[in-house]
Amino acid sequence: DTAVSQTPKYLVTQMGNDKSIKCEQNLGHDTMYWYKQDSKKFLKIMFSYNNKELIINETVPNRFSPKSPDKAHLNLHINSLELGDSAVYFCASSQGQGGGETQYFGPGTRLLVL
Amino acid sequence: DAKTTQPTSMDCAEGRAANLPCNHSTISGNEYVYWYRQIHSQGPQYIIHGLKNNETNEMASLIITEDRKSSTLILPHATLRDTAVYYCIVRVSNYGGATNKLIFGTGTLLAVQP
Repeated sequence: DTAVSQTPKYLVTQMGNDKSIKCEQNLGHDTMYWYKQDSKKFLKIMFSYNNKELIINETVPNRFSPKSPDKAHLNLHINSLELGDSAVYFCASSQGQGGGETQYFGPGTRLLVL
Repeated sequence: DAKTTQPTSMDCAEGRAANLPCNHSTISGNEYVYWYRQIHSQGPQYIIHGLKNNETNEMASLIITEDRKSSTLILPHATLRDTAVYYCIVRVSNYGGATNKLIFGTGTLLAVQP
């Protein structure tokens, strides 16, 4: 009954590979997000989707392509992985309407690029 | 980009109240103050939020000064499981209210001591 789930939990891969991270929420929320937490523990938003529409794109390289097949899913595909992509990626969701849109975070996907 | 200032770290004895301060002197009139925490290796967890009035829930209390330039998160009886990084966030609401961007700062590492 996990609210926001991510797969995989760990991902180790070589430079230049293409990989995907999946996120699902069962909270019935309209909005989903991807955040990146780097080695210095800074947590920054990357993307946000509302009802499958891209709302926020924080100048992330176009090697990163989010896809939202439906409101409950937001996947992140990364092409041509680089060493600097190593980080923990968190998915989150919120109701997205009105005030007080609390965001609920998933457990994170730890990506290591070798 | 974060518009909040927090101490880097704090200690608290188990069973005592933990008071975590946050300065947000440039807060706008319609911006909320949110508190999240991140326990080691987990996703951020929502704690509480407020606009003007003091707020209390089952986890914590939030005290906001009258001029709204600072706030304090209070954990009334800290336990070892409350050891975490606590983030004070001023919520930026754009895009017609459909979604909100949380800007995380460096937070305060609260260490609860036995």
